[in-house]
Amino acid sequence: QVQLQEAGPGLLRPSQTLSLTCTVSGDSISSSGHYWNWIRQRPGKGLEWMGYIFYIGNAYYNPSLKNRLLISLDNSRNQFSLNLTYVTAADTAVYFCARSPNRQTPEFDSWGQGTLVVVSS
Amino acid sequence: QSVLAQPPSVSGAPGQKITISCTGSSSNIGAGYDVHWYQQLPGAAPKLLIDAFNNRPAGVPDRFSGRSSGASASLAITGLQAEDEADYYCQSYDSRLSVMVFGGGTRLTVL
Repeated sequence: QVQLQEAGPGLLRPSQTLSLTCTVSGDSISSSGHYWNWIRQRPGKGLEWMGYIFYIGNAYYNPSLKNRLLISLDNSRNQFSLNLTYVTAADTAVYFCARSPNRQTPEFDSWGQGTLVVVSS
Repeated sequence: QSVLAQPPSVSGAPGQKITISCTGSSSNIGAGYDVHWYQQLPGAAPKLLIDAFNNRPAGVPDRFSGRSSGASASLAITGLQAEDEADYYCQSYDSRLSVMVFGGGTRLTVL
């Protein structure tokens, strides 16, 4: 059974870069069967898909975040990461990593527990 | 304002049937993109409840079912139970925005 676990700092100052890692167990991020996603949820709000990366390293981003977001793979550690630059209070959210199958309009079939990131001066 | 519109809240008594709507447009559900549903219990991560083909992950009872028609989709829950109290989200793809999109979420209260 696949498991995903997010890790990263809980508190950031405005204009800093948010770096999060998702460690995957029970599946290989090097396989062609899945996309690896980041999704966030602002306090009391709904879900926002941020982007995904595929096993060969090509990534696709939500256009609203494209200029600030980078998603990368670390195959040796079976991890994928998120880097979000120039954070503001609007980036305060619970960040989830999730897996989705490699097909059109995939569902997110496995999720990490989420990690809360607060941006505050 | 979410691309996929859901009612903010629904409620029902134990044993009853409720439905949650998810209304989209010609650039998402109406264009034929799949719709999936998630359940989020308080303080927990969302979990896949039912996919576009009415497949339920192991452990999800068949009291949950989904359907799509035109530019809308709906989730039905029969035999409502107290443990069903949660937030429910629909999800699809929007070709105009080029993103995966979620509904705004519906809070289910079991009376």
